[in-house]
Amino acid sequence: EPEVTQTPSHQVTQMGQEVILRCVPISNHLYFYWYRQILGQKVEFLVSFYNNEISEKSEIFDDQFSVERPDGSNFTLKIRSTKLEDSAMYFCASGRGQPQHFGDGTRLSIL
Amino acid sequence: AQKVTQAQTEISVVEKEDVTLDCVYETRDTTYYLFWYKQPPSGELVFLIRRNSFDEQNEISGRYSWNFQKSTSSFNFTITASQVVDSAVYFCALSEAGHNQGGKLIFGQGTELSVKP
Repeated sequence: EPEVTQTPSHQVTQMGQEVILRCVPISNHLYFYWYRQILGQKVEFLVSFYNNEISEKSEIFDDQFSVERPDGSNFTLKIRSTKLEDSAMYFCASGRGQPQHFGDGTRLSIL
Repeated sequence: AQKVTQAQTEISVVEKEDVTLDCVYETRDTTYYLFWYKQPPSGELVFLIRRNSFDEQNEISGRYSWNFQKSTSSFNFTITASQVVDSAVYFCALSEAGHNQGGKLIFGQGTELSVKP
């Protein structure tokens, strides 16, 4: 069964550094998403992407964040200048509508 | 505004007990989807079920069953004869269908289920 693939599984970065989280969605899916889960908390929506543009974003998704689908297969989330509070699990998801299929997540640790 | 409430933060049961996880949602839309996801200790999110707002039939899948009641805005999840492998955090989520069917998921806080042998 096709899967959403996320790399790396764990990323450790110094505060203030840029980080790029990578995702390969399921190939025939049309909608792409990033979610965040701070340790012990609920999963929060960050951004959705459809037809090569952002379709919706949350308040969390400020100017430090950006998304890209650079080559038709990858879907990336960039955090420009990381802060301690960006430490979380980041999930990529894709779908052809509902339901959304989630990757296994990237645990981002900011030091 | 959309909101999902899972009032039970933690539940602990002994193996073979039945357990029900509660989910109450709020939405102004008439068309929406409800979901349950399981997050085992390994951290991934595993899709369990989707239900659309026009289908109030209860569903059973093996030991899992779901009770959708629009009148009370609830979508409860029951595990029959629980097993240790059911230990996980369970999230209820809501999506308003929107024009493109790709609406974001709004998650509840999750219920941590611990099944003891």
